[in-house]
Amino acid sequence: AQSVSQHNHHVILSEAASLELGCNYSYGGTVNLFWYVQYPGQHLQLLLKYFSGDPLVKGIKGFEAEFIKSKFSFNLRKPSVQWSDTAEYFCAGYMDTGRRALTFGSGTRLQVQP
Amino acid sequence: DARVTQTPRHKVTEMGQEVTMRCQPILGHNTVFWYRQTMMQGLELLAYFRNRAPLDDSGMPKDRFSAEMPDATLATLKIQPSEPRDSAVYFCASGLVIGGRGNTIYFGEGSWLTVV
Repeated sequence: AQSVSQHNHHVILSEAASLELGCNYSYGGTVNLFWYVQYPGQHLQLLLKYFSGDPLVKGIKGFEAEFIKSKFSFNLRKPSVQWSDTAEYFCAGYMDTGRRALTFGSGTRLQVQP
Repeated sequence: DARVTQTPRHKVTEMGQEVTMRCQPILGHNTVFWYRQTMMQGLELLAYFRNRAPLDDSGMPKDRFSAEMPDATLATLKIQPSEPRDSAVYFCASGLVIGGRGNTIYFGEGSWLTVV
């Protein structure tokens, strides 16, 4: 079955540290990939997305992600985190078969310490 | 700014009561999703519709949950009777899916349900 997995459940960083959150998907066909962010008490907001083309995609708030097809990965990165980046981050994938609905990873809780 | 609108934002109800959550998708979107978020289970897909037709409700407990889309501007999720384990945040999301290809899904602000 198609799935999306995030292996880092809780990450704690100091301000200005670099961030990389892992995301892997299991599906061999066409996949659209997304990163969403959920700030405490709020709804999910789109950070960035990949459909095709340049595998390095840039999103809002200085985030970027790289699609590596050979590794089935779509890791999220930010060179220097801020306290305001404290949130939960969800990777999600839309596969063109099966349920054909957005499948979410379990989320990574990022805590940035000032 | 187009957005997905959900009501109620917060609901506290007693066990056994009926709860109805409503969602107005973004105009022009043909796909509507209902997700449930809990600490234990994370984000779970309950059901979704395309062009108002239910495509998949396998994530939904059938005995007490029902989802409908009476028109293109309204989707509903009903729980009857509600139980404490239904306490969660229920998100509605909408998107435009063409030819089987996905597109950005936009989320509403959620309905925070507490069943006591």
